[in-house]
Amino acid sequence: NAGVTQTPKFQVLKTGQSMTLQCAQDMNHEYMSWYRQDPGMGLRLIHYSVGAGITDQGEVPNGYNVSRSTTEDFPLRLLSAAPSQTSVYFCASSAPGAGAIDEQFFGPGTRLTVL
Amino acid sequence: DQQVKQNSPSLSVQEGRISILNCDYTNSMFDYFLWYKKYPAEGPTFLISISSIKDKNEDGRFTVFLNKSAKHLSLHIVPSQPGDSAVYFCAASLAGGTSYGKLTFGQGTILTVHP
Repeated sequence: NAGVTQTPKFQVLKTGQSMTLQCAQDMNHEYMSWYRQDPGMGLRLIHYSVGAGITDQGEVPNGYNVSRSTTEDFPLRLLSAAPSQTSVYFCASSAPGAGAIDEQFFGPGTRLTVL
Repeated sequence: DQQVKQNSPSLSVQEGRISILNCDYTNSMFDYFLWYKKYPAEGPTFLISISSIKDKNEDGRFTVFLNKSAKHLSLHIVPSQPGDSAVYFCAASLAGGTSYGKLTFGQGTILTVHP
């Protein structure tokens, strides 16, 4: 099992550019989430999904889109990058019965810099 | 409005001594609390959790205590080891259903264990 994988590991964008952060998991987990980590802020939930075809907003969804066409993949799209989106992005997956209650399995992260 | 707070940005302890990391929350509806450990350039990994119906949970050197009336939890590491040096995040979740897979994180505490 590869667990949760994220690509790319690093990315530099210019303001206004768009890009997609990829996330995949091979554990057949129903739930997937995107978080961003900023200094002094901890991890904040951007979007999450409770299954293929179902997504919803988290705490900080503005400027990001998601879709969930398969159980395995949950890409995060930045529509028009802004310097405020400079952050480290983590994808996570979970499922009832997989580990402790509400335990989420995190990917290694994508470090994004927007100039 | 930060619903989960870790007020100590950093903690330094000597190897073999006890490390105590603290976390406060404001939402009395939270049902589960989790601690995650994060090394640089890696994703967070689950450490230990506790249900709101319990006041203590142990796993080896790690013990989490929950004081619901004070809305406070703490993570005790005994004895501390240099390999425990990492960022520790406290997280909280609401009971199942549509809230499953959504965690609210604290800001994190950097633990340094000196040999």
